[in-house]
Order: sequence, then structure tokens, then C-alpha cells
Amino acid sequence: SQKIEQNSEALNIQEGKTATLTCNYTNYSPAYLQWYRQDPGRGPVFLLLIRENEKEKRKERLKVTFDTTLKQSLFHITASQPADSATYLCALDMFGNEKLTFGTGTRLTIIP
Amino acid sequence: GAGVSQSPSNKVTEKGKDVELRCDPISGHTALYWYRQRLGQGLEFLIYFQGNSAPDKSGLPSDRFSAERTGESVSTLTIQRTQQEDSAVYLCASSLGHKGNQPQHFGDGTRLSIL
Repeated sequence: SQKIEQNSEALNIQEGKTATLTCNYTNYSPAYLQWYRQDPGRGPVFLLLIRENEKEKRKERLKVTFDTTLKQSLFHITASQPADSATYLCALDMFGNEKLTFGTGTRLTIIP
Repeated sequence: GAGVSQSPSNKVTEKGKDVELRCDPISGHTALYWYRQRLGQGLEFLIYFQGNSAPDKSGLPSDRFSAERTGESVSTLTIQRTQQEDSAVYLCASSLGHKGNQPQHFGDGTRLSIL
């Protein structure tokens, strides 16, 4: 069956360090993968999109990688700050060119 | 406003009652999605609309759930004969298209509590 897994439900990182979140999928062949941030009581907010033929995408302190062989995406936040604390969701289109399926999210806490 | 708007933000109702949730998408967005998010859980796809095409209803959990969209504007999600298991946050999102290369823009949801 198709499945999207995000590493550990919760991740605690010391301020200033790099936070790395993992999104693994099975039995998909996605053309696109997206990352979202969700704060408590709010809807998810789009952060980054990466295509299957792109290895890496950057935006300010954020970096996303996409390895279609490993069926994995890594999401990095460098120089992490307490304001980065939130739940991060990955989402991908199952077989390319279709609607997104979301992972269950990783709750990230940056400790001052 | 520039974003997706949902109303009401909170709804408390008794088991067995019908509820109607509203979503105003971003103007010009042809695709509109409804998701359900239970406490501490991920997003569960319910239904999406794309332009004038037939909606994809594959995520609706039962025939008590239905949704409508007028053209490319407002959508309503209706839950009939509510059950306690329907308690959740219902999120609406819109995007320029329905394909995976389009970011989705979410409202802040309607928190539904069934007593």
C-alpha cells in the first residue's frame, strides 16, 4: 500500500543548530514534493516545492533534498530559532500530476 | 482579504444535528480542497473541486458528508446527522490548479465539536 512516513512525531533541537526532518514514501512515483509548516490552531502554510528531477532546493535558511532512488526527502532548517518551532508536513502527488497526499507531520521544537 | 476564509471558526453542536461549513477560496483559484484533521493527526483528504469538472469525492468517509461549490467561488461542506467521531478541524485549501506542482493555500479551519 502507498504510505508516507515522517520521522518521529516530535523533534527537539538546540537553538542555532540545524534541524533535519525526514519524509519517506513507499509505492509512489511522485513528480513533485512539497513542504508545509503548521502552527497550532492554524492551517498549513506552503514553504517549498521540489520536482523529481531536482536534487536540492533552497530558500533562505531552508533546504530541501529529494532522492527518488531512496524515496526520501530531507528538510533542513539551518541556524534554527525558537520561532521555527511548529509542525512540518511533507506532501506529494502519488503518481505524478495528481492531488497531494500529506504525511502526518513532525512537531519540531527549538530549545533556546 | 487575500487569503482563504473559513466560517465559522468554531462550531459546537449536538449529536444528530446537521452542520454546514463554508469556505471562501482565493479569487482566481480553480481548485478547492476539503480536509479533515483530527487532534494530533495529519490531513485526511475529503473532496476536491477543479473548475467545472466532476468533483473527486473519493475521500468522503460516508454518505453523511457532501460538498458543493458554486463555479469557482464559495464551497460548503455539509455533514448530516453528526456523530461524535466527526469532531475534528475541517480545513479548506485552494490552488491555481489541482496538480502536484501547485502550492495549496489553507484557511485556518473550522473546529467542529459534537457533544
